[in-house]
Amino acid sequence: KQEVTQIPAALSVPEGENLVLNCSFTDSAIYNLQWFRQDPGKGLTSLLLIQSSQREQTSGRLNASLDKSSGRSTLYIAASQPGDSATYLCVTSGSRLTFGEGTQLTVNP
Amino acid sequence: SAVISQKPSRDICQRGTSLTIQCQVDSQVTMMFWYRQQPGQSLTLIATANQGSEATYESGFVIDKFPISRPNLTFSTLTVSNMSPEDSSIYLCSVRRGVLGGEQYFGPGTRLTVT
Repeated sequence: KQEVTQIPAALSVPEGENLVLNCSFTDSAIYNLQWFRQDPGKGLTSLLLIQSSQREQTSGRLNASLDKSSGRSTLYIAASQPGDSATYLCVTSGSRLTFGEGTQLTVNP
Repeated sequence: SAVISQKPSRDICQRGTSLTIQCQVDSQVTMMFWYRQQPGQSLTLIATANQGSEATYESGFVIDKFPISRPNLTFSTLTVSNMSPEDSSIYLCSVRRGVLGGEQYFGPGTRLTVT
């Protein structure tokens, strides 16, 4: 059974800082890995999708990497802004979706 | 991409009543799902909504409590029946174009409070 772990559970940084969110998973038999953002009481917004054959994806200030062999993914956020404050979820897609518990990010002005 | 809308966005309901949540997608999709997110928890899959046939429910969820319809490839409803305070959650519709491995999209959620 797939298990997805995200570290840290919570992170508070000053505006402008670069930061890294970590995700690890136990079963490398995945089709893809997605990073989502969730604002309080809202749905999930897809940030980046990395197919199992890919190593990384970039969108604006976001860069996600995938190392299937070691069961790890990272989400890099450059020049963080207060609007980046949200919970970030790592989700693997195998026979079913498996969700991490999320990293709650606060970017302070 | 897929744009998903849900109605209602939130509701406060009394114990013992039922609420039907609608999910509309802007284009045809193969797979539609319903998730629940209880306060402070991660998402839990309730069922896969199958077009033209009965939904496929996950362990712990039953059709009598969560009846689902999917009349076509762009629309689905989830009913939460005979509600209790334990049903207070965010309910999310989700879609995927392919059967496996495609990008997953989520609706904005329906925030349900049962008093």
